[in-house]
Amino acid sequence: AQKITQTQPGMFVQEKEAVTLDCTYDTSDQSYGLFWYKQPSSGEMIFLIYQGSYDEQNATEGRYSLNFQKARKSANLVISASQLGDSAMYFCAMREGLGTYKYIFGTGTRLKVLA
Amino acid sequence: DTAVSQTPKYLVTQMGNDKSIKCEQNLGHDTMYWYKQDSKKFLKIMFSYNNKELIINETVPNRFSPKSPDKAHLNLHINSLELGDSAVYFCASSRGQSIYNSPLHFGNGTRLTVT
Repeated sequence: AQKITQTQPGMFVQEKEAVTLDCTYDTSDQSYGLFWYKQPSSGEMIFLIYQGSYDEQNATEGRYSLNFQKARKSANLVISASQLGDSAMYFCAMREGLGTYKYIFGTGTRLKVLA
Repeated sequence: DTAVSQTPKYLVTQMGNDKSIKCEQNLGHDTMYWYKQDSKKFLKIMFSYNNKELIINETVPNRFSPKSPDKAHLNLHINSLELGDSAVYFCASSRGQSIYNSPLHFGNGTRLTVT
């Protein structure tokens, strides 16, 4: 079974608008971490934001925020005021439990920001 | 600069050859990884070392052999290269012990093309 599911292969958003990229996860652990990464066309993997399973507040980093709904096992990335430079692949990832070193990635969402 | 650096950035070689990719991190992390990103952008973990000990060994052909001479270095040697090995290989590191706010830090990737 997929541990990380990103159901949107591609998304479009107008410049300056907000966009939500979906991510659902599957785990039976109580302790886990959720991460979002950006991969621009140049290929590097850029860490954006982290949410811990015990964090009560949604994480925010500048224009990025994470809409964490634990009961629904979702960790959606919200990008506010989209910029042309936000056009990229976005990956959701999870690291489960204590003593587990594996980071599992979703299949990614390709975001295109339109001028 | 603190970073994960891997070399070479590009590797073009013929089937049957043997090649190596080197990775070094100066972030003080104790865990290092190799991920493979295929043409559909899917990121799959291959290996992980924690304090020079192999802790993750996914279903990877025996032709792939990782080596970690110390905590800061992780190399990947590939024997008898095949067409299907063509991909981008990412080295990454993290603070292995804690899942809390411990993102993977990626190198810039090595694009391997087997002809």
